[in-house]
Amino acid sequence: AQSVTQLGSHVSVSEGALVLLRCNYSSSVPPYLFWYVQYPNQGLQLLLKYTTGATLVKGINGFEAEFKKSETSFHLTKPSAHMSDAAEYFCAVRPSGGSYIPTFGRGTSLIVHP
Amino acid sequence: GAGVSQSPSNKVTEKGKDVELRCDPISGHTALYWYRQSLGQGLEFLIYFQGNSAPDKSGLPSDRFSAERTGGSVSTLTIQRTQQEDSAVYLCASSLVGGTGANVLTFGAGSRLTVL
Repeated sequence: AQSVTQLGSHVSVSEGALVLLRCNYSSSVPPYLFWYVQYPNQGLQLLLKYTTGATLVKGINGFEAEFKKSETSFHLTKPSAHMSDAAEYFCAVRPSGGSYIPTFGRGTSLIVHP
Repeated sequence: GAGVSQSPSNKVTEKGKDVELRCDPISGHTALYWYRQSLGQGLEFLIYFQGNSAPDKSGLPSDRFSAERTGGSVSTLTIQRTQQEDSAVYLCASSLVGGTGANVLTFGAGSRLTVL
């Protein structure tokens, strides 16, 4: 069984500030980890993923995330927020073996102030 | 098609009526998923189809919910005797299984269901 916890349903930052969205997971086997983004009135799209190999993964639009096994975390960061980053962000986990069904967190709404 | 297509995009119905939501996945994607997105609740897994295998129905919230996938392609989610708590956005996604694309879901824009 697996689960995902996203700390903070809303995160507010100023344009140009660091973005940090937190994700902690639990998984009984090595996980595959994902961040998806949902822009207003659009479907979810993949931002980045971790499967194996390098623990720091880079995604689209300048986002990156680091898999920290000891902390069971996969936090999403971006050095400088843009207004266009305002969206809902979802962290997801699925086991590396067995089920192909990912479990999603409740989402974090990123608000960017000018 | 180029993406996952869902219809209708919006559906308003009266309590007690049946509704059908349709999903047309990406051609060649053997895996198909239905999730429900409610305000503040994230994505709730409903059902998963993979090729000709029996579907994983473990997420269906009640026996009023059912889904089928015909010919390994188009899927229909049916909700019978709708209740107000069924109001949500129903998301369909598809993916490849195996290979580098195995882990990535491509989502449709969703079907927003409102039960009055």
